[in-house]
Amino acid sequence: GDSVTQMEGPVTLSEEAFLTINCTYTATGYPSLFWYVQYPGEGLQLLLKATKADDKGSNKGFEATYRKETTSFHLEKGSVQVSDSAVYFCALGQTSGTYKYIFGTGTRLKVLA
Amino acid sequence: DGGITQSPKYLFRKEGQNVTLSCEQNLNHDAMYWYRQDPGQGLRLIYYSQIVNDFQKGDIAEGYSVSREKKESFPLTVTSAQKNPTAFYLCASSIGGQKGQETQYFGPGTRLLVL
Repeated sequence: GDSVTQMEGPVTLSEEAFLTINCTYTATGYPSLFWYVQYPGEGLQLLLKATKADDKGSNKGFEATYRKETTSFHLEKGSVQVSDSAVYFCALGQTSGTYKYIFGTGTRLKVLA
Repeated sequence: DGGITQSPKYLFRKEGQNVTLSCEQNLNHDAMYWYRQDPGQGLRLIYYSQIVNDFQKGDIAEGYSVSREKKESFPLTVTSAQKNPTAFYLCASSIGGQKGQETQYFGPGTRLLVL
């Protein structure tokens, strides 16, 4: 079945460091891909998304490119801030069949001042 | 303000008891979802509904039940058959109709604990 694999955390970085969080997927058809962020004690919020191959999603300095050839959707940010500390979830949306959304296990990011 | 509300924030269940978690949205969304979040396991889909009076089982529906009698409401009941209910429960909604491509909007969650 369809699945999403994220790099395990926690990821600890100093402020202004470069961030990469890896995400790969397996899916039939052509899924949409999402990154969500969860701050402590809260629900998830959409960070960015891409609905077809080679699309780049971007928001608040974060970027991710939908790479069909490598089945990946890695999240990047050039300079992280302490306020970026949170858990990041990669997800895919099935565009055929049951139309479900499948989430990765999440990657915790901690940014130190 | 439009959004999703979940109540209560914390819920305690005794052995053998059924409990109901509330989820309400005023976004006029057709689709609603229930997820369970456990440490290290991410989000797992319990039930989802794409339209009023219709819902489908997700990946871990055993021990749970739902109803969708109104567009804005999608309550989840955790029955006594669910043997390990301690988790963080998240409700979400999406506009509906753009299958698999929709942004989901999440509520703040309910933490269920067993006494």
